[in-house]
Amino acid sequence: DGGITQSPKYLFRKEGQNVTLSCEQNLNHDAMYWYRQDPGQGLRLIYYSQIVNDFQKGDIAEGYSVSREKKESFPLTVTSAQKNPTAFYLCASSVGQREQYFGPGTRLTVT
Amino acid sequence: KQEVTQIPAALSVPEGENLVLNCSFTDSAIYNLQWFRQDPGKGLTSLLLIQSSQREQTSGRLNASLDKSSGRSTLYIAASQPGDSATYLCAVNWFSDKLIFGTGTRLQVFP
Repeated sequence: DGGITQSPKYLFRKEGQNVTLSCEQNLNHDAMYWYRQDPGQGLRLIYYSQIVNDFQKGDIAEGYSVSREKKESFPLTVTSAQKNPTAFYLCASSVGQREQYFGPGTRLTVT
Repeated sequence: KQEVTQIPAALSVPEGENLVLNCSFTDSAIYNLQWFRQDPGKGLTSLLLIQSSQREQTSGRLNASLDKSSGRSTLYIAASQPGDSATYLCAVNWFSDKLIFGTGTRLQVFP
C-alpha cells in the first residue's frame, strides 16, 4: 500500500527536551511538507522540501528544524526553543504543486 | 494578503439533506484549490482538487465548484449521511510551493 506514515501517534515530552517526529512516504513524491494544527486555527506550514538535500522555511519555522537526506523521509525536530510546542503535527507529500496527501498525524504534548 | 475563509464554522443538519459548504479566497489568480475531510484526531483526506482552468469536479455524492472571479468555491454534498460528519477544509495554491488553509467547517449529520 502506498501512503504516508507518521510515528509515533502520541508523544509526550518534558519542557526543555528536543523531540523528533518521523514522516515516511512510499508514493515517490518529490515534495514533502510539515504543518502544525492548533484548535480553532487552520493548518500552518512549518517547513517544506521540494527535493532531497534542500528545504525551505514556512510561515512558522522558528524553534523547528528538518532534514531531507532521502526522498522517502522528512523528519521534523521540535527544539526547546519552540515556545508552544504542544500541537497536532501533520506531514504531507505531493508531486510538485499537485494534490497533497497527508499522513495520520502526531499529537505532541509538552509539559 | 492571501487568505482563505470558510463560513459557517459549524453546521448541523438532519440526515438526507443536500448541503453546501462555502470557501472564499482573496486574490482570484489561483493555481488550484483542494477540499479535504478531517475526522477528529486524524489526518486530512483529499476529497477533490480543482485546477484554475476547471469549473467543477465530482466524486460520488460530492461536487466542488470554482468561481475565480468571485473568489469562491463550494462543496456540495448530496443526500448527507451520519458518516459525512467531519471537518471539511478548503486550501488554495497561489502559484507557490504552499497551500493556504481555511479554518474549516465542522459538519454534523444527525439521524
